[in-house]
Amino acid sequence: DAEITQSPRHKITETGRQVTLACHQTWNHNNMFWYRQDLGHGLRLIHYSYGVHDTNKGEVSDGYSVSRSNTEDLPLTLESAASSQTSVYFCASSPLFRQGGAGELFFGEGSRLTVL
Amino acid sequence: GQNIDQPTEMTATEGAIVQINCTYQTSGFNGLFWYQQHAGEAPTFLSYNVLDGLEEKGRFSSFLSRSKGYSYLLLKELQMKDSASYLCAVRFNYQLIWGAGTKLIIKP
Repeated sequence: DAEITQSPRHKITETGRQVTLACHQTWNHNNMFWYRQDLGHGLRLIHYSYGVHDTNKGEVSDGYSVSRSNTEDLPLTLESAASSQTSVYFCASSPLFRQGGAGELFFGEGSRLTVL
Repeated sequence: GQNIDQPTEMTATEGAIVQINCTYQTSGFNGLFWYQQHAGEAPTFLSYNVLDGLEEKGRFSSFLSRSKGYSYLLLKELQMKDSASYLCAVRFNYQLIWGAGTKLIIKP
């Protein structure tokens, strides 16, 4: 069965460290997204990609970067972790909206990051 | 700006019916989604509305009125496993805007 997986599921790091969260999907979806979820807020988009070598900034992209070298993976890097980046991070993928259907998102299990 | 409003929390009784409302103000519209999210888990897709009217899927139904910027999710024959957060999201310009979610508490 196709799936989307994230690793690590839990991470504790120190302020200033570089952290990379992995996301791997076997849906063969072109679209991939990174969100963060914090209490009292909706899901907030960090970065997204519509295909290989395509990356775009979302509404809360400062301090984060992504790269898309193949269809399956979209790793999220925190260049210098800050306490404000303590959050739950969700990776998601979706088929192309133009291909018909809802184009709904399929989410990974989430990565809980704590920055001390 | 773009805005989506949902009640923060609702309580209902097992076996009953509950309606979760979502109102939105966005500069465009390409569809509205409802997702369910159990505590500590990922959101999962429930429904999608792009035209006005009611979409029924088993115990869950979703309604959309584009002229009013309004949607609701109707859950019938509530079960304890329906205790979760319900997220409303509007798509426009190929982007999704998310509400903060409604936490639904089911009491026996």
